[in-house]
Amino acid sequence: DAGITQSPRYKITETGRQVTLMCHQTWSHSYMFWYRQDLGHGLRLIYYSAAADITDKGEVPDGYVVSRSKTENFPLTLESATRSQTSVYFCASSVSGPSAGYTFGSGTRLTVV
Amino acid sequence: TQLLEQSPQFLSIQEGENLTVYCNSSSVFSSLQWYRQEPGEGPVLLVTVVTGGEVKKLKRLTFQFGDARKDSSLHITAAQPGDTGLYLCAGGGSEKLVFGKGTKLTVNP
Repeated sequence: DAGITQSPRYKITETGRQVTLMCHQTWSHSYMFWYRQDLGHGLRLIYYSAAADITDKGEVPDGYVVSRSKTENFPLTLESATRSQTSVYFCASSVSGPSAGYTFGSGTRLTVV
Repeated sequence: TQLLEQSPQFLSIQEGENLTVYCNSSSVFSSLQWYRQEPGEGPVLLVTVVTGGEVKKLKRLTFQFGDARKDSSLHITAAQPGDTGLYLCAGGGSEKLVFGKGTKLTVNP
């Protein structure tokens, strides 16, 4: 089915391990975004991408790495996971930027123990 | 830094009641969007408003963008249990949205 899919849906990892969250969209949207959602903080932007091979930092990029070699994929890597990175992570895409609205994935719930 | 303040933070009402939630900022936005998020899912876009003073209706939901494009409101008429969820407003910048922290609405049968 067309859409935006995130994997895995749930992940438990240990402190210090590297973990990659996957995001795939089938619309060829130009823009893709990674957010984390935490109680009391709402949705906070980690990284975004306006096109393949173009990425930029958001509000809370420290400890995260992204790449976008293909338009449809936007993986998020936690290089050395910390407990403070326990959160729900959402990927979103947009055909042309903020005014067009975002379509979100269903999220990945990550627990770092 | 652009910030969006939503109020109230929590709202619990009975089925059939009307309600209004607010989204305020000191910044001007080129567009403002409302999303609804249900537990375990990502936010879903409800509406985009772009013109100061604009009013949009979506069934029992009425959205208004302030004249100065700094604030917005969402009014729900005759709320139903299916309206339960987290309502998020988001302001449009040049390349990304700024989200408010949301209003958690519970409609009791």
